[in-house]
Amino acid sequence: DIQMTQSPSTLSASVGDRVTITCRASHNISTWLAWYQQKQGQAPKLLIYKTSILEREVSSRFSGSGFGTEFTLTINSLQPDDFATYFCQQYESYVTFGQGTKLDIK
Amino acid sequence: ELHLEESGGGLVQPGGSLRLSCTASDFSVKHYAMHWVRQSPDKGLEWVSGISWSGAKKDYADFVKGRFIISRDNAAKSLFLQMSSLRQEDTALYYCVKDTDPGSVSFYYMDVWGKGTMVTVSS
Repeated sequence: DIQMTQSPSTLSASVGDRVTITCRASHNISTWLAWYQQKQGQAPKLLIYKTSILEREVSSRFSGSGFGTEFTLTINSLQPDDFATYFCQQYESYVTFGQGTKLDIK
Repeated sequence: ELHLEESGGGLVQPGGSLRLSCTASDFSVKHYAMHWVRQSPDKGLEWVSGISWSGAKKDYADFVKGRFIISRDNAAKSLFLQMSSLRQEDTALYYCVKDTDPGSVSFYYMDVWGKGTMVTVSS
C-alpha cells in the first residue's frame, strides 16, 4: 500500500502570506497526485490534479509541483477564504489520502 | 451540474449491518467509476471502496475487505455500499464520490462529492 504523509499538520499564516504544504509518498507515484481543499462542514473540493493541473475555476494563486515521492502545494497571497484543511491524494495504485494540513489564521 | 446525495446512515450496534445508497442527479455518472470515502476526526479521509463504470471491477481498502460490498445500478443512477460486521472504528461520515476518467477501469482523482451520510457504530 502507498502511504501519504503531509507536513505540517497545522500551519498558521496571515492574509497575504505565501504558504507551502508538502506531501510525501512512500513509493514512487510519478505525477499521479491530487490536492483537495475542505472547509468546515463541507465536502472536499478538488483543487489540483496530476500534480500541477488546476481544476476549472480554481484560483491561479494555487499551484502544485513535484514528482515521484515529494510534492508541494503552494498558495500565494493568502485570502480569508483559503483558511481550510488541505489533503493530498495519490492515484498511482488504488487511492490513498494524506492526513491533512489545517491552515489557520495567525 | 452533477449532484450526489447519500442516504442510509444511522446508529447501529457492533456486528450489525447497514446499507448506504447514493443517488446522482443525472445519468452522466454511468460513464465513471465511483467511490465511497469516509472521514472521521481521528483518521481523516479514508478511501473505502471503488467500482468501475460497468461494475466489473471492484476494489476495497484492506480494513473493509470481506465485510463491505460495493455495487451500482446505472439505470437508477445509484451507488450502494452494503456494510456488515460493523465495528466501532467504522464510525465516520461516508461520502459518495465520482471519479474523473470516463470508461476507465482504473481509479483516478475525484471531482464531485456528496455531502455524506453519518454512520455511528456503538452499543
